[in-house]
Amino acid sequence: KNEVEQSPQNLTAQEGEFITINCSYSVGISALHWLQQHPGGGIVSLFMLSSGKKKHGRLIATINIQEKHSSLHITASHPRDSAVYICAVSNTDKLIFGTGTRLQVFP
Amino acid sequence: DAGVIQSPRHEVTEMGQEVTLRCKPISGHDYLFWYRQTMMRGLELLIYFNNNVPIDDSGMPEDRFSAKMPNASFSTLKIQPSEPRDSAVYFCASSLLRNQPQHFGDGTRLSIL
Repeated sequence: KNEVEQSPQNLTAQEGEFITINCSYSVGISALHWLQQHPGGGIVSLFMLSSGKKKHGRLIATINIQEKHSSLHITASHPRDSAVYICAVSNTDKLIFGTGTRLQVFP
Repeated sequence: DAGVIQSPRHEVTEMGQEVTLRCKPISGHDYLFWYRQTMMRGLELLIYFNNNVPIDDSGMPEDRFSAKMPNASFSTLKIQPSEPRDSAVYFCASSLLRNQPQHFGDGTRLSIL
């Protein structure tokens, strides 16, 4: 079993829909990261959080430490949100990655 | 700042050749990480450095892989001899401090024929 599990693996949505991507982990962590990777592109850090909730524009990330679970929400989704979203947890200095969620938003 | 700079962006070479990937971290960042990304295994940490010193190389697949960081502004990842199964995208990332967001380079897409 992977230490970081994401669901769903693939997700399609119509423009404007509210999107949720889930991440569960089984190890002790100091922080959880959400990353975004566009097709053929580099990786961008969206959020790093260790408790509660963070918001940046249309993106919201939450974490429940007791349940070892995090969610990434996208409100009013847009085709430019199409990307792979990767959850990763910090354990000491290292990141442990989930396998990613491929999101496609259609106009 | 220019961000993390990796070179080359693409590399195609024949099996058995030596491959050298290069990375320039963001100035002032104390941590540097090398990752490999494949369809099968996703992102994997190969090795990371703190203040130019290798801290954990347990992710380096085998002796054919080596990494160095001769100074705070430059690191290399070398594969010798290369094999087709080494084909992947290799990312370098840096962070200011422990447990800070990592800044990724654009990656090097490596194809070994």
